[in-house]
Amino acid sequence: DADVTQTPRNRITKTGKRIMLECSQTKGHDRMYWYRQDPGLGLRLIYYSFDVKDINKGEISDGYSVSRQAQAKFSLSLESAIPNQTALYFCATSDSGQGNEKLFFGSGTQLSVL
Amino acid sequence: AQSVTQLDSHVSVSEGTPVLLRCNYSSSYSPSLFWYVQHPNKGLQLLLKYTSAATLVKGINGFEAEFKKSETSFHLTKPSAHMSDAAEYFCVVKASGSARQLTFGSGTQLTVLP
Repeated sequence: DADVTQTPRNRITKTGKRIMLECSQTKGHDRMYWYRQDPGLGLRLIYYSFDVKDINKGEISDGYSVSRQAQAKFSLSLESAIPNQTALYFCATSDSGQGNEKLFFGSGTQLSVL
Repeated sequence: AQSVTQLDSHVSVSEGTPVLLRCNYSSSYSPSLFWYVQHPNKGLQLLLKYTSAATLVKGINGFEAEFKKSETSFHLTKPSAHMSDAAEYFCVVKASGSARQLTFGSGTQLTVLP
């Protein structure tokens, strides 16, 4: 089984719909992240969480919200989806502490907003 | 502020020939630098990282990168390309002392020709 699991793998939705992307991990890491990937732009951070009670905005948090339900679970919500949120979304985890910047990624969720 | 520029969006090499993927960075502090690889339909995987120890860093699968402060560069190389190296490669920077996120480059797509 994968260490970082994202569901669903693919999702097509319509403008204005609420959608949730889920991420769970078995690595026991404290830190979890949500990124989106757009062609030619690399990965951009949406939100990150360093522990269950810690939630922080990344560089592109507008239009998104997150919930850290447990150490192992971190979900991303689009309250009212719009077409420019069509992208590949990645969840990632890392261990805490200095020098532990290695990220472990899920396989991604391809989201299309029509 | 920190940023990273990958100088080529696409690189094409023949199998068995050297690979050079170029990356320049900008950081106000002593940076940590990383290369990640993304194979089709997969999440990103760490190839190697530089964190102020040896300037020549060896990674997995025969890749290495050299940190050159005077040139603000962190180019990725491999002496002999293999078909399985075909993937997208991301250069990433993290400012020293920053508890926040990594900054990703826009990616370089490597094609390996038979």
